[in-house]
Amino acid sequence: NAGVMQNPRHLVRRRGQEARLRCSPMKGHSHVYWYRQLPEEGLKFMVYLQKENIIDESGMPKERFSAEFPKEGPSILRIQQVVRGDSAAYFCASSQTGESSYEQYFGPGTRLTVT
Amino acid sequence: SQQGEEDPQALSIQEGENATMNCSYKTSINNLQWYRQNSGRGLVHLILIRSNEREKHSGRLRVTLDTSKKSSSLLITASRAADTASYFCATDGESGGSNYKLTFGKGTLLTVNP
Repeated sequence: NAGVMQNPRHLVRRRGQEARLRCSPMKGHSHVYWYRQLPEEGLKFMVYLQKENIIDESGMPKERFSAEFPKEGPSILRIQQVVRGDSAAYFCASSQTGESSYEQYFGPGTRLTVT
Repeated sequence: SQQGEEDPQALSIQEGENATMNCSYKTSINNLQWYRQNSGRGLVHLILIRSNEREKHSGRLRVTLDTSKKSSSLLITASRAADTASYFCATDGESGGSNYKLTFGKGTLLTVNP
């Protein structure tokens, strides 16, 4: 049973370019969460999605960031016009339900570097 | 202090010794989870303890939860060099709020010397 898959593992973008990060949840999981980890920091919640629905995007920056989880295919976190401050590790997690009693399983992360 | 704050920030021990890490939080929770992160890697789920539980074991791991003090501890017994990693606690269920949104602390960096 494959775990949460994320790609790419490493992404380098120049300032002003777009970054697309992909996440495939564990088999049987329909709830996806995105977190961001800045250097020397813990993870910070960004957004919670179910298939075709954004449930909670309270942790997303108001501009340039968007997320989707289409009916088919992986969840995508999109960052437009990246800036140096977007450099971080972005982790995706999935769970069986949205209840906290079910563990969230994390992917290996995408490390974004903005030059 | 922020929700889910671990201490110490760094801990260095010898192989075979026990390691204890603590986590404090501010608001009521439903559950508390501990994760491990090896350098440059993703998070590995270690253990979940519910707010009505006081202690939980998993292999060499022992987690306690004291909701009156809003604190938890993670004990790793008979540590191994492979236990070297950062350890994070994550809380959920901020009072009246969602219970899926995990709040992480900055972690404890554990180094186990061979």
